Amino acid sequence: GAVVSQHPSRVICKSGTSVKIECRSLDFQATTMFWYRQFPKQSLMLMATSNEGSKATYEQGVEKDKFLINHASLTLSTLTVTSAHPEDSSFYICSASRTGFEKLFFGSGTQLSVL
Amino acid sequence: GQSLEQPSEVTAVEGAIVQINCTYQTSGFYGLSWYQQHDGGAPTFLSYNGLDGLEETGRFSSFLSRSDSYGYLLLQELQMKDSASYFCAVRDTQAGKSTFGDGTTLTVKP
Repeated sequence: GAVVSQHPSRVICKSGTSVKIECRSLDFQATTMFWYRQFPKQSLMLMATSNEGSKATYEQGVEKDKFLINHASLTLSTLTVTSAHPEDSSFYICSASRTGFEKLFFGSGTQLSVL
Repeated sequence: GQSLEQPSEVTAVEGAIVQINCTYQTSGFYGLSWYQQHDGGAPTFLSYNGLDGLEETGRFSSFLSRSDSYGYLLLQELQMKDSASYFCAVRDTQAGKSTFGDGTTLTVKP
């Protein structure tokens, strides 16, 4: 079946540094990928839609200059959290769909802790 | 705005049947999906309804009534491993964007 790989699974960084998270579709091409943020025991909040070859579409309230998204190929999207602060600490998850968007495949998630 | 409502917690015993309801109010509707998420893990797809009616996949079934903006996930022959959070999600644009409910924590007891 389709698999989405996400790395790293966990990262701890100092306040002010930038962190890059990678999301890869392993056995299919994904023109669209989605990035979410999830706090403990809460829902998945869509941050942005990543489109291959074009700019990402950000949800209202998400700072595009802080959460940089690059979708340079049909199998790779990256999320860079710039100048991270403790309030950015969260579980970040990506997803992609093979076709039709009825079924989303999720990456394993990245737990970001900013000290 | 977009909103999905589902119960926050459900408890049941092994072997029982449980139904998790989801009502939604969204600006667009292209389908209702259900996902399971264990603590610390990623969501995994369970079921999808694009049209009214019942979809059955093994022990899991999902139902949709578009006129009532309502759906449910039915889990049969509950097992301990079914203890997890369950999210309903509405695909509200043709481009695939989905809005997720707050999740239902299912606890299965022996």
